[in-house]
Amino acid sequence: GEDVEQSLFLSVREGDSSVINCTYTDSSSTYLYWYKQEPGAGLQLLTYIFSNMDMKQDQRLTVLLNKKDKHLSLRIADTQTGDSAIYFCASDDAGNNRKLIWGLGTSLAVNP
Amino acid sequence: EAQVTQNPRYLITVTGKKLTVTCSQNMNHEYMSWYRQDPGLGLRQIYYSMNVEVTDKGDVPEGYKVSRKEKRNFPLILESPSPNQTSLYFCASSSDRDAAREQYFGPGTRLTVT
Repeated sequence: GEDVEQSLFLSVREGDSSVINCTYTDSSSTYLYWYKQEPGAGLQLLTYIFSNMDMKQDQRLTVLLNKKDKHLSLRIADTQTGDSAIYFCASDDAGNNRKLIWGLGTSLAVNP
Repeated sequence: EAQVTQNPRYLITVTGKKLTVTCSQNMNHEYMSWYRQDPGLGLRQIYYSMNVEVTDKGDVPEGYKVSRKEKRNFPLILESPSPNQTSLYFCASSSDRDAAREQYFGPGTRLTVT
């Protein structure tokens, strides 16, 4: 079946940029998503990118999409301690557009 | 305030004792879904519903039941819970009829089955 992979852990210093990477296998995916899960909370949609875009910027967040390599990245500029969370990459399932294919999540630790 | 609520937030129960986790959304969303989150396994979908009286299995439906009698509610039922159903459960909803996009998640229910 289709798959989404991402590294499990990332540690950065406060003020640095964070880059979280994700690869996916479904070349027919229409949308790709980044969700954030803060400790003890549910997931919240952070941003998403349409598959015909290369980049999307939203304040401190930059999403880059390389469709050829099926690689998605989330860059957080000027990372703050409040950015410490688990970040999930997800793609829609072209074969079943009623569900998402989820990565396992990248745990971002921001050190003061 | 737009939100998805789940109850209870924490539950400890014993094997075989039927339980229901409630989920309610106030956004008039058509799509609702249940997930479980386990360390090392990420988020796995249990069941989803496209609208009232329309439900479908996700990736891990065994041991669970759902119902969608009203648009706002989507309860998760464990008829005979077992220890391997100890997990963190999330309910989610979305307004998108065609895909599970832009889902709003509840705060989670931590279930322990002894």
